[in-house]
Amino acid sequence: DIQMTQSPSSLSASVGDRVTITCRASQSISRYLNWYQQKPGKAPKLLIYAASNLQGGVPSRFSGSGSGTDFSLTISSLQPDDFATYYCQQSYTTWTFGQGTTVEIK
Amino acid sequence: QVTLKESGPVLVKPTETLTLTCTVSGFSLNNSRMGVSWIRQPPGKALEWLAHIFSTDEKSYSTSLKSRLTISKDTSKSQVVLTMTNMDPVDTATYYCARIVTNTIFGVIIIPYFDYWGQGTLVTVSS
Repeated sequence: DIQMTQSPSSLSASVGDRVTITCRASQSISRYLNWYQQKPGKAPKLLIYAASNLQGGVPSRFSGSGSGTDFSLTISSLQPDDFATYYCQQSYTTWTFGQGTTVEIK
Repeated sequence: QVTLKESGPVLVKPTETLTLTCTVSGFSLNNSRMGVSWIRQPPGKALEWLAHIFSTDEKSYSTSLKSRLTISKDTSKSQVVLTMTNMDPVDTATYYCARIVTNTIFGVIIIPYFDYWGQGTLVTVSS
């Protein structure tokens, strides 16, 4: 199976900060990479699909990049509503999720 | 309005078989660009993809759980059913179903992703 490794596992940041989360695949997955946001007690929410495509209704401060094995999710200016856990997910073959990155308030 | 709702037992005993149903509305399980997946999340842990089924009846399973899982759909009832055999306390988790849609990028690559999720149902495995 393809392993998805996110870094960091958690981070502390302040409102207004630029935050970048990385996701590395154990083998090339082209652009078969999606990002989700999850808040406590809630279902995940799609943010980015196909590595860099913003899902409708998602604020433009979220962006994604990468292809092959290395990907990143960037929040250009962190807002109070963005404190959550973020997961990458590959849909190339036998789908898998990363272990998650929790963004906490500094 | 697209909705998905999971239903099933909240408590199962070790060695029992779990049967979960995902009832969908706002889209058809016959839609060629769509499917439904099951994903679970143990308390305080990461998401784990379990299985999916597409309108063509194409199915796929998690490698580590493949021997225990069966996914099926009843289009007339708008339901997708997941069974997991030989339940163990480590299978305690919130189980989600999610809609899969596919999008074509660069004109050739078809990328699947989860655009709508159910609220999840917590299943506890205990004697």
